[in-house]
Amino acid sequence: EVQLVESGGGLVKPGGSLRLSCAASGFIFSSSTMDWVRQAPGKGLEWVSSINRDSAYIYYADSVKGRFTISRDNAQNSLYLQMDSLRPGDTAVYYCARWDGAALDIWGHGTMVIVSS
Amino acid sequence: QSALTQPRSVSGSPGQSVTISCTGTSSDVGAYNYVSWYQQYPGKGPKVMIYDVSKRPSGVPDRFSGSKSGNTASLTISGLQAEDEADYHCFAYAGSHIWVFGGGTKLTVL
Repeated sequence: EVQLVESGGGLVKPGGSLRLSCAASGFIFSSSTMDWVRQAPGKGLEWVSSINRDSAYIYYADSVKGRFTISRDNAQNSLYLQMDSLRPGDTAVYYCARWDGAALDIWGHGTMVIVSS
Repeated sequence: QSALTQPRSVSGSPGQSVTISCTGTSSDVGAYNYVSWYQQYPGKGPKVMIYDVSKRPSGVPDRFSGSKSGNTASLTISGLQAEDEADYHCFAYAGSHIWVFGGGTKLTVL
């Protein structure tokens, strides 16, 4: 079964750090470009970051550049998002998704991150 | 990286057609044919319904169609069904390896 499963979300204080993970199965992860997308409560989706299959090309939204780091381990079929210097505005459900060259065609169920004191 | 503009909500009766607009600029929607649309049910991950402005992935009903004119992309759902009630999000390439979503539109089937 084609699946993406996020984990690692939780409650963190402003200025703190959190590392999200995304476990992939059912498709060739090592050949896939992967993205992180987030959704604040009651709001629309926001593209966060993208990483190509061999980590040679990495891109970030301005809102997270310099604070978040995307990475992957193809041997473990896993995608990661290291989030530092977290702010209340980073509170959201974080989704990992596969980019198939034209669209985000596989999505996880999301993991909730709450940044609050 | 401003979000694309979508109506907050649209509605229609079963069997009718509705169109959801997604307005950007000449730097994103107007510049590239890389617009996709996603359907999202409450508490669930999104599902792609349209890509490359007007192409439909296999398995998506042909009641769903996409188009673009200038800086505005549109998603049209014809023959509305109860199961179409969901949130819809547009997504577009904004150049320089940056992507942007719309604010999302809640579709209510009356």
